[in-house]
Amino acid sequence: DQQVKQNSPSLSVQEGRISILNCDYTNSMFDYFLWYKKYPAEGPTFLISISSIKDKNEDGRFTVFLNKSAKHLSLHIVPSQPGDSAVYFCAATDNYGQNFVFGPGTRLSVLP
Amino acid sequence: DTGVSQDPRHKITKRGQNVTFRCDPISEHNRLYWYRQTLGQGPEFLTYFQNEAQLEKSRLLSDRFSAERPKGSFSTLEIQRTEQGDSAMYLCASSPGQPMNTEAFFGQGTRLTVV
Repeated sequence: DQQVKQNSPSLSVQEGRISILNCDYTNSMFDYFLWYKKYPAEGPTFLISISSIKDKNEDGRFTVFLNKSAKHLSLHIVPSQPGDSAVYFCAATDNYGQNFVFGPGTRLSVLP
Repeated sequence: DTGVSQDPRHKITKRGQNVTFRCDPISEHNRLYWYRQTLGQGPEFLTYFQNEAQLEKSRLLSDRFSAERPKGSFSTLEIQRTEQGDSAMYLCASSPGQPMNTEAFFGQGTRLTVV
């Protein structure tokens, strides 16, 4: 049973446009959500996070939106750059932070 | 301190052999995690330490797997009698104890190939 879902295995966008990556979760105990970026042969790199008490968190070109009632979050990248091409993982944890549950990832390709 | 360090980066072993991986977390991070990632999947949780105490283990961690963090600093993950299904990227991550909700920082992983 997959508790964190990323239903789009891949996404292609043009450079300069917006990239929107989606994530759904099923466990209502999750209250902290994170996005990681991963290049081949490297470990995941933390991008941005959001607590369940917020519905939006912004950091430069990256914004994460959380809709608790729908158990849905999304990552917006504006403007997209070729260097953003990577696999993006959504992750979630509960208040104890003992276990980050990851989705299967979405491969983003930003085309020049 | 430049981040989480894992050693070795790559390991090729014959089926049935034992392997051990090492993880050095970021200094003063008292939380340490081990994950496994296979192609096309997200990282899967294996185990979690707070200081030297192993507080949570996934059912993925069969009895052939053992992890230790003897002094609350570095950690080792041992796989005994390796099987081809153990081939994966093994990732270590660490995070500070406070605040409770904070990101984990990952190492570059150890790629295990069982032949």
